[in-house]
Amino acid sequence: ELKVEQNPLFLSMQEGKNYTIYCNYSTTSDRLYWYRQDPGKSLESLFVLLSNGAVKQEGRLMASLDTKARLSTLHITAAVHDLSATYFCAARSNDYKLSFGAGTTVTVRA
Amino acid sequence: EAEVAQSPRYKITEKSQAVAFWCDPISGHATLYWYRQILGQGPELLVQFQDESVVDDSQLPKDRFSAERLKGVDSTLKIQPAELGDSAMYLCASSLGGQPGQPQHFGDGTRLSIL
Repeated sequence: ELKVEQNPLFLSMQEGKNYTIYCNYSTTSDRLYWYRQDPGKSLESLFVLLSNGAVKQEGRLMASLDTKARLSTLHITAAVHDLSATYFCAARSNDYKLSFGAGTTVTVRA
Repeated sequence: EAEVAQSPRYKITEKSQAVAFWCDPISGHATLYWYRQILGQGPELLVQFQDESVVDDSQLPKDRFSAERLKGVDSTLKIQPAELGDSAMYLCASSLGGQPGQPQHFGDGTRLSIL
């Protein structure tokens, strides 16, 4: 069974500083997804990473994938208040099921 | 607003009652998923449909949960009888399927509270 672990689970960020969220998965996966969820809201797709070494960037967020290490990272550059949310990574197993991490709740303070 | 439509947004009911959720996926999306998200955790897949067929329901508690997608478009998830532990957010998602890297698009969910 594919297990996904995120850390940290809670992250208090100071505006303007850089931070990284880590996502480890236990077995081979051919897809890694990052989602954002605001309180009481749906999950919004941020990135889909398809291959080893893949890097995608959107605004202040950059995601990367290392399939050999079974690790994906979500890097936040110069945090701003609007980035406060819960971020989930999800890995797709060979039977096409998505396994989600527990989520990282991000709070950005002035 | 999410393009995957779900209703109701909130449901409060007593244990042992029946409850049903409805989902209308994005037009043209052949694959439909139902997830349960317990507060503070990531979503957990309950059932996956490809068109009208169930392709994975291994995590669906079949003694009380049922799901259908009769015409391969919208879907209904039912719980009967509801138990206190069923309190959670129930999310529906859809994807095109068959294309590499297609993300799942999620609805706003139904928040279920069992009293």
